[in-house]
Amino acid sequence: KAGVTQTPRYLIKTRGQQVTLSCSPISGHRSVSWYQQTPGQGLQFLFEYFSETQRNKGNFPGRFSGRQFSNSRSEMNVSTLELGDSALYLCASRGQGIYEQYFGPGTRLTVT
Amino acid sequence: GESVGLHLPTLSVQEGDNSIINCAYSNSASDYFIWYKQESGKGPQFIIDIRSNMDKRQGQRVTVLLNKTVKHLSLQIAATQPGDSAVYFCAEAGTYKYIFGTGTRLKVLA
Repeated sequence: KAGVTQTPRYLIKTRGQQVTLSCSPISGHRSVSWYQQTPGQGLQFLFEYFSETQRNKGNFPGRFSGRQFSNSRSEMNVSTLELGDSALYLCASRGQGIYEQYFGPGTRLTVT
Repeated sequence: GESVGLHLPTLSVQEGDNSIINCAYSNSASDYFIWYKQESGKGPQFIIDIRSNMDKRQGQRVTVLLNKTVKHLSLQIAATQPGDSAVYFCAEAGTYKYIFGTGTRLKVLA
C-alpha cells in the first residue's frame, strides 16, 4: 500500500505571495491532518479534514486554509505569505476510528 | 493552555546501552499517547502507542510507560543502535486533535 505523498517537496516563495500544497492520503484513509513544523515551535496542528469537512482547527490565522476532495486528497493554502511561514508542512492520514497517523515526507516551504 | 513537553532536548547514548526519553503532558483528559520517530528529511514515523487505561506497553525493543499521577510518559529503547538516531516526539491525542511535544534528539555514539 502506498504511503502518504506530498507535493511539492520543496518550495521557495516571496513575501506576499500565496501557496498551495497538496497531500494524497493512504488509500482508504478519509482523515487528513496538516501540521506546521518549525525548530522553535515543533509540530503545530493546523487542521483536520474528514469526508471533505473540516473537523478541527488549530490556532492559526485565517491566512491558512484547506480543503479536502471527494477522493480524500487534501490541499492547504497559505495566502499573503510572511517570513515566519517558512517551515516544514506535514500531512498525515489515518483510518476511521483509529488514532495511528501516517505522515508524509512534508513540503519544505521557504519564504524570502 | 494544553501542552506536551520534553525534559531533555538532546540525549547521547552509547551504542548497545538503553535509552530513556521522557515527556510531560498537561491534559489529563487525553486518552491516547503516541511516540514518533523522525529521521532527517522524513516525516514522523509511528513507534508505539498506549491508551490512558494502561501503564505499560512493550514493542520490539521499545517500551512506553505512562504515569497518570504525575502526567509523565517515557520511551525506553533497549540496546540502542545507530539507526535509532533521530528526533523523538511524544504526542497526546483526544478527539480529532493531537498535541506534540517539541522533540528530543537521540544521538547514538559508536
